[in-house]
Amino acid sequence: EDKVVQSPLSLVVHEGDTVTLNCSYEVTNFRSLLWYKQEKKAPTFLFMLTSSGIEKKSGRLSSILDKKELFSILNITATQTGDSAVYLCAVRKTGGTSYGKLTFGQGTILTVHP
Amino acid sequence: GAVVSQHPSRVICKSGTSVKIECRSLDFQATTMFWYRQFPKQSLMLMATSNEGSKATYEQGVEKDKFLINHASLTLSTLTVTSAHPEDSSFYICSGGWGPGETQYFGPGTRLLVL
Repeated sequence: EDKVVQSPLSLVVHEGDTVTLNCSYEVTNFRSLLWYKQEKKAPTFLFMLTSSGIEKKSGRLSSILDKKELFSILNITATQTGDSAVYLCAVRKTGGTSYGKLTFGQGTILTVHP
Repeated sequence: GAVVSQHPSRVICKSGTSVKIECRSLDFQATTMFWYRQFPKQSLMLMATSNEGSKATYEQGVEKDKFLINHASLTLSTLTVTSAHPEDSSFYICSGGWGPGETQYFGPGTRLLVL
């Protein structure tokens, strides 16, 4: 059975702190790993990672994938209260009837205090 | 990024009624859309894969006769919760992309409350 496990499950920090969110996975026919940010509504896309060792960056957020060790991290530097959200990691498979399906981790709840 | 809309955003209904939720891709054609359900404080669980012009593929444990999916065009998929019960109360989210292997963009979700 496919598994996507995120840690920590929740994190409370102060503005300006740097956080690292973890996502490990065990899936057959891995294609890509995606990070999403979910506030009160549906998730918004952050990154899609398909190759090991290549960092993706967007402002204060960055992410990297290690396909050998089967994990990814999402870093947020100089956190702001607006970063408070649930961060979801999802893995997409390839091939057969599983093509395109996303398996989500349980999410990390990040709370940033002023 | 691509825009996906859902309607309605929120619905309250009585137990035993059916509720239809629409998912539209506004600026692209989605041959495949996915339907998810999210209970409070839990992650998204895939319910079914909706393919334009063919039958949906349901995940294990999801009743296809209860959750009817229709993908009649490249821009519209509908999910009908038939004979809804309180345990069906949840947040229903659809996603679509240019292809199943591409980045999936989520609709804003529909919050269903069954009394």
